[in-house]
Amino acid sequence: AQSVTQLDSHVSVSEGTPVLLRCNYSSSYSPSLFWYVQHPNKGLQLLLKYTSAATLVKGINGFEAEFKKSETSFHLTKPSAHMSDAAEYFCVVRLPPSSGSARQLTFGSGTQLTVLP
Amino acid sequence: NAGVTQTPKFQVLKTGQSMTLQCAQDMNHEYMSWYRQDPGMGLRLIHYSVGAGITDQGEVPNGYNVSRSTTEDFPLRLLSAAPSQTSVYFCASSYSRVRTGGQPQHFGDGTRLSIL
Repeated sequence: AQSVTQLDSHVSVSEGTPVLLRCNYSSSYSPSLFWYVQHPNKGLQLLLKYTSAATLVKGINGFEAEFKKSETSFHLTKPSAHMSDAAEYFCVVRLPPSSGSARQLTFGSGTQLTVLP
Repeated sequence: NAGVTQTPKFQVLKTGQSMTLQCAQDMNHEYMSWYRQDPGMGLRLIHYSVGAGITDQGEVPNGYNVSRSTTEDFPLRLLSAAPSQTSVYFCASSYSRVRTGGQPQHFGDGTRLSIL
């Protein structure tokens, strides 16, 4: 079985300050990991993905995430928040083909990011 | 533009009514899926399909039916709407998981459904 835990349901930062959105996962396999962003009334957009290559992954809009196997974490960071970053963020785990799992993705419950002027 | 198209964007139903949420993709993706999004619960998988003619249940399939007669289309049917089915529904597609491993899914913009 696999699971994803986003440790904060809400994060509030000031514009220009760093962003940290935390994600922990559990999996019996070596998963692929993703971060998606959802702006109001929109579908989900891929920010970045980890698929067993470099552990530090760079994504769009200045976001990056580091895969730490020893901590089973995949936290999302950005050095300086912009107002346009205000959205909901989802951490997602995907099992490898060798797992034989019927389900493709497991989503975290989401973190709402508020950016204050 | 290529992508996943969901219709309608909004719908209000009465309890007991049935309806079909449409989903179409033009990327020749084998894998398609339906999720529902509820506050504080992330996205939960309803049904999925690994190719035309093949469907299977996800995490929360009760009250929903799907079919996959073509690669492009994957409609979701509510058989007898209940207030508990008030949610935002997302359709997603991707290339085959087996072939591409870590490929992400492409999502539609969602259908906001209210059951009165």
